[in-house]
Amino acid sequence: ETGVTQTPRHLVMGMTNKKSLKCEQHLGHNAMYWYKQSAKKPLELMFVYSLEERVENNSVPSRFSPECPNSSHLFLHLHTLQPEDSALYLCASSHDRGNEKLFFGSGTQLSVL
Amino acid sequence: GENVEQHPSTLSVQEGDSAVIKCTYSDSASNYFPWYKQELGKGPQLIIDIRSNVGEKKDQRIAVTLNKTAKHFSLHITETQPEDSAVYFCAASISGGGADGLTFGKGTHLIIQP
Repeated sequence: ETGVTQTPRHLVMGMTNKKSLKCEQHLGHNAMYWYKQSAKKPLELMFVYSLEERVENNSVPSRFSPECPNSSHLFLHLHTLQPEDSALYLCASSHDRGNEKLFFGSGTQLSVL
Repeated sequence: GENVEQHPSTLSVQEGDSAVIKCTYSDSASNYFPWYKQELGKGPQLIIDIRSNVGEKKDQRIAVTLNKTAKHFSLHITETQPEDSAVYFCAASISGGGADGLTFGKGTHLIIQP
């Protein structure tokens, strides 16, 4: 185990649903990230949090809404998603924002119907 | 911005043989090059990395080589075993720029044939 836990592992939702993905890290890290992984594409960085403050938003649609209540927990709130949003959503952490070594969770496989 | 190309997309080798995965990058300022391994049902895991002040780094059966002039780097796995079957991702960034500066390749699916 990497010390980063994501729930749920699988999620199927309709386009009108609202759901949330949860990530928890037990490593004492100060930076957390959301990535989107689609088949045959590079990992796509969505959000970066450093010491619970969002520091980057890579032009992600507003139907994805992150929340970081403390340095150990990260959420991704989903609403009115599109079928093209179906992907594996990975949470990661690093010691701090300047440290490149990422520790990933196992991801949430999301299917939007 | 940085662009990382990774080849091949799929690689099948006999157990015991060597495997080589290659990546090229576009930004000559990049100086940190990690490799991640993603097993089925799991997230990527860092297996080895190299910085531009060295040309090669080894860790048991895996090694990474870097050619800064040609802007390419490679992952070498010797004496492949079934547990090496996974998707491997290369990445590049400017050291100190943080993880959010990483640009990833599209991945190579390595298949070890028994």
